[in-house]
Amino acid sequence: QVQLQQSGTELVKPASSVKISCKASGYTFTSNYMHWIRQQPGNGLEWIGWIYPGNGNTKYNQKFDGKATLTADKSSSTAYMQLSSLTSEDSAVYFCAREPIYNNYFDYWGQGVMVTVSS
Amino acid sequence: DVVLTQTPPTLSATIGQSVSISCRSSQSLLDSDGDTYLNWLLQRPGQSPQLLIYSVSNLESGVPNRFSGSGSETDFTLKISGVEAEDLGVYYCMQATHAPWTFGGGTKLELK
Repeated sequence: QVQLQQSGTELVKPASSVKISCKASGYTFTSNYMHWIRQQPGNGLEWIGWIYPGNGNTKYNQKFDGKATLTADKSSSTAYMQLSSLTSEDSAVYFCAREPIYNNYFDYWGQGVMVTVSS
Repeated sequence: DVVLTQTPPTLSATIGQSVSISCRSSQSLLDSDGDTYLNWLLQRPGQSPQLLIYSVSNLESGVPNRFSGSGSETDFTLKISGVEAEDLGVYYCMQATHAPWTFGGGTKLELK
């Protein structure tokens, strides 16, 4: 069965960076898009961008250009998102979610990673 | 960016009651390929969102058929025909026609 297992809670300092992971199993990692979505406390959902692990192509929401960097390791079927120059505004839960190729929806989601930015 | 406006923001229902949630888009969501990429998600308390309906009216596998979606262009509706206790949570519409993909503000379904 398809599973997306995300890394654990992060407490990080302002101005630092953090890299969170999403390990995929139960399907062909390189043949589906992996998206990342942010949910700030008490708020709704924002789409950050996607990566296609088959060739490493990425697309970002302009709002997150320079903030988020998406990568993927085919050998371990793991997608990563690095967030840089962290501020309190980046405190949120971050989800990875799979899009079956060319289907324009998310059929599986990770459990989410809470990132807290605090000194 | 496309703005999705959901109403009502909060919905109180009794078990067995039928309810509807509206999602209105600031632009037409009809894609040049002929499809309309408007999806509905449910986020139960403490959980990740899950897909209920994709492309306006297609029920995701495993989702009960008391959920249905309808609409076109800029106006869409999610209907629950007979609310059950497990349906409580926040419902989001989401569009994937125009980049960046965007979400509605959510509708919280509570028990009356």
